[in-house]
Amino acid sequence: DAEITQSPRHKITETGRQVTLACHQTWNHNNMFWYRQDLGHGLRLIHYSYGVQDTNKGEVSDGYSVSRSNTEDLPLTLESAASSQTSVYFCASSASVSGEQYFGPGTRLTVT
Amino acid sequence: RKEVEQDPGPFNVPEGATVAFNCTYSNSASQSFFWYRQDCRKEPKLLMSVYSSGNEDGRFTAQLNRASQYISLLIRDSKLSDSATYLCVVNTNAGKSTFGDGTTLTVKP
Repeated sequence: DAEITQSPRHKITETGRQVTLACHQTWNHNNMFWYRQDLGHGLRLIHYSYGVQDTNKGEVSDGYSVSRSNTEDLPLTLESAASSQTSVYFCASSASVSGEQYFGPGTRLTVT
Repeated sequence: RKEVEQDPGPFNVPEGATVAFNCTYSNSASQSFFWYRQDCRKEPKLLMSVYSSGNEDGRFTAQLNRASQYISLLIRDSKLSDSATYLCVVNTNAGKSTFGDGTTLTVKP
């Protein structure tokens, strides 16, 4: 069955370190998204991609970057982790630009 | 004002009750609408799409009112397993998805 996976599921890192969160989908979807979810803010879009080599900034992109070298993967990099980036991160994919999204299980990141 | 607004609740209802959630949106260019369910500390999962003519899936009914810019979700005969947070999602054709902050439902025996 097609799926979307994220790794690691939990990570603790120190302020200033570079961190990369992996997202892999086997739906063969062109569209992929990264969100963070914090209490009181709901889901907020960090970056998204509509296909290979395409990346776009979302509403909370500062301090994050993504790259899309193939259809299946959209890794999210925190260039210099900050305590404000402690959050739960969800990756999602969709078949069409305005269609329903399918979410990965999430990565719980703690920056100390 | 947020682009998508939901009553955060919590809604506490007894088993068997009927409960309704509303969601309002501000972007008149919105084209597609969804309800997702999120269990504590887990990923959101698609519950149902919302169509202009309204649609039903078992105990769940979704409706869209474009003129007033709101969507609704009705849950009949609530089960304990319906306890979750329900997220309203609004998409534009340009691919912008906006999530509401969610409405929390607790169904009690």
